[in-house]
Amino acid sequence: DAGVTQSPTHLIKTRGQHVTLRCSPISGHKSVSWYQQVLGQGPQFIFQYYEKEERGRGNFPDRFSARQFPNYSSELNVNALLLGDSALYLCASSLSPGANVLTFGAGSRLTVL
Amino acid sequence: AQTVTQSQPEMSVQEAETVTLSCTYDTSESDYYLFWYKQPPSRQMILVIRQEAYKQQNATENRFSVNFQKAAKSFSLKISDSQLGDAAMYFCAYRSSGALTSGTYKYIFGTGTRLKVLA
Repeated sequence: DAGVTQSPTHLIKTRGQHVTLRCSPISGHKSVSWYQQVLGQGPQFIFQYYEKEERGRGNFPDRFSARQFPNYSSELNVNALLLGDSALYLCASSLSPGANVLTFGAGSRLTVL
Repeated sequence: AQTVTQSQPEMSVQEAETVTLSCTYDTSESDYYLFWYKQPPSRQMILVIRQEAYKQQNATENRFSVNFQKAAKSFSLKISDSQLGDAAMYFCAYRSSGALTSGTYKYIFGTGTRLKVLA
């Protein structure tokens, strides 16, 4: 079985641009969460989606948005990029929001210049 | 709000030896989950071990075991017979057993401990 897949693996953007990151969960997993991991820090919660609905968001500005599709894949969008948005963006999936096994992808490394 | 603290930025261990990584947390909840995740250079977070707070017995997974002290809010990871492949960043994480008011289940991570294994 394929694990959680994320694309792109690396990307470079300039300030003010927009970025879209993509995530495909493990087959059968209906919940997707997004985390931001700044260099030298632990992951920080951004969003959780379940059955195409947002179940919650962390302390991130409105420049961050996401959605989940009928096939349970998900996109994370960040507008008006700032230097501080440079980070590893991790997607994780689980069978349901409350399932206590969270499986992570390898992340998308975003560099903002 | 819950917090997770890992006070050891970096640890080293000789191959085949035992090492213990420390984690403390703060919460007012009585029921929750605690996790240790490993993040190798490949970047993928891999679940090492999980502990339910209502279980008094410490979790064990092969060479990995935890020392869960609920009253002290301490959750340390012991790695026995360390191998070169154990070298990675290790993150301690907390998750409430129930959802937040929004219906969200979120993990709270510590800042990590980098483990070096010396041949």
